[in-house]
Amino acid sequence: SYVLTQPPSVSVAPGKTARITCGGNNIGSKSVHWYQQKPGQAPVLVTYYDSDRPSGIPERFSGSNSGNTATLTISRVEAGDEADYYCQVWYSSSNHPVVFGGGTKLTVL
Amino acid sequence: EVQLVESGGGLIQPGGSLRLSCAASGFTVSRNYMSWVRQAPGKGLECVSVIYGGSGTYYADSVKGRFTISRDNSKNTLYLQMNSLRAEDTAVYYCARVVVPAASSSLWFDSWGQGTLVTVSS
Repeated sequence: SYVLTQPPSVSVAPGKTARITCGGNNIGSKSVHWYQQKPGQAPVLVTYYDSDRPSGIPERFSGSNSGNTATLTISRVEAGDEADYYCQVWYSSSNHPVVFGGGTKLTVL
Repeated sequence: EVQLVESGGGLIQPGGSLRLSCAASGFTVSRNYMSWVRQAPGKGLECVSVIYGGSGTYYADSVKGRFTISRDNSKNTLYLQMNSLRAEDTAVYYCARVVVPAASSSLWFDSWGQGTLVTVSS
């Protein structure tokens, strides 16, 4: 089965840029989607198709994907961005096609 | 506005059964792929089931043969029948709408309910 690897935690100061990575074999050939989950709340889609944003998601959230790593970038980080972030792909060749990364806890210092 | 509201969770003994419901508004369940995604306490997200257009379904190995996903088009509601429950099924269960663009080789979840907690314990 396909595996997505995320760092357990990332820390960043307010106003700085946070980068959360998602590693997978040739992940650049797939579309990557990112979700934000705040404590006690449901996940929220923040980017899809690597870098598109749903309506209502600030432009500070952006994504990229190449080679074996996809990255969610959060610019001008705010305290309200503190959350868990999950990457996800659809791996149609697998018996388990919906794959989530293990999640990254973003801490705003 | 798209809304998904889950219900039916609770405390159940191992081996027992529960049926989760997800009432949808703002869109038509029958015209969309729908899914159940669960999250064990302190853990990550796991897609346990998807219902595709028509009657096609997907189940994670961990629930195959025990869980059944279905929908009632007249009630615009998604269900998850869970039988032979185990301690490891303890989780918050989220209902989610699935986006599968035409001619796309990808899929994602664009709307989520608030979740319902299932606790399997004696």
